[in-house]
Amino acid sequence: QSVLTQPPSASGTPGQRVTISCSGSSSNIGSNTVNWYQQLPGTAPKLLIYSNDHRPSGVPDRFSGSKSGTSASLAISGLQSEDEADYYCATWDDSLNGYVFGTGTKVTVL
Amino acid sequence: QVQLVQSGAEVKKPGASVKVSCKASGYTFSNFDINWVRQATGQGLEWMGWMNANSGNTGYAQKFQGRVTFTRNMSISTAYMELSSLRSEDTAVYYCARGGAYGSGLRPWGQGTLVTVSS
Repeated sequence: QSVLTQPPSASGTPGQRVTISCSGSSSNIGSNTVNWYQQLPGTAPKLLIYSNDHRPSGVPDRFSGSKSGTSASLAISGLQSEDEADYYCATWDDSLNGYVFGTGTKVTVL
Repeated sequence: QVQLVQSGAEVKKPGASVKVSCKASGYTFSNFDINWVRQATGQGLEWMGWMNANSGNTGYAQKFQGRVTFTRNMSISTAYMELSSLRSEDTAVYYCARGGAYGSGLRPWGQGTLVTVSS
């Protein structure tokens, strides 16, 4: 069981905006920056957002991240069929002294 | 380009050990950490630990302490993950991923190595 909680699923039609939440605590999100990963079916995860709201080069600006207190969010605007994937938040946990991943959210494009 | 290439799939019996390799290219191997993450079929991502590729210093997730060992061979820019006393619950895809400065996330990731534990 993960210390970071995400909704198991989210969905939207092409062009819509979808938001995924990631809930943690003071020992993880509350005191460290958050990263987001995208895992397309059958492939390795890929870094999507780092340090709460920064996009690596090559990641479309449709993806954005934010953090407030002990929660973080990933937003996908202008949803596209190729965005259908699993999304994971992650951060360092000071109590566990380790990196922790969220439970994961499966995004479906209707 | 920066790339991590892992060794091929393994099938092991319960109680055995497995050693997975992760060969880095496209960057100076000693300048970055290597992290290991695993994923059971249909499940989420589970962090196993990290290794400083320069010093060899390691940090292991509590769950794997005493059963996992990270090593490296700097001459061939390769990191290794060895997991011992395998049980069926260790059946998973194992990934290596490069870590950077604090908060920079893990990127890139290796392609993954399927380890199957079965009698």
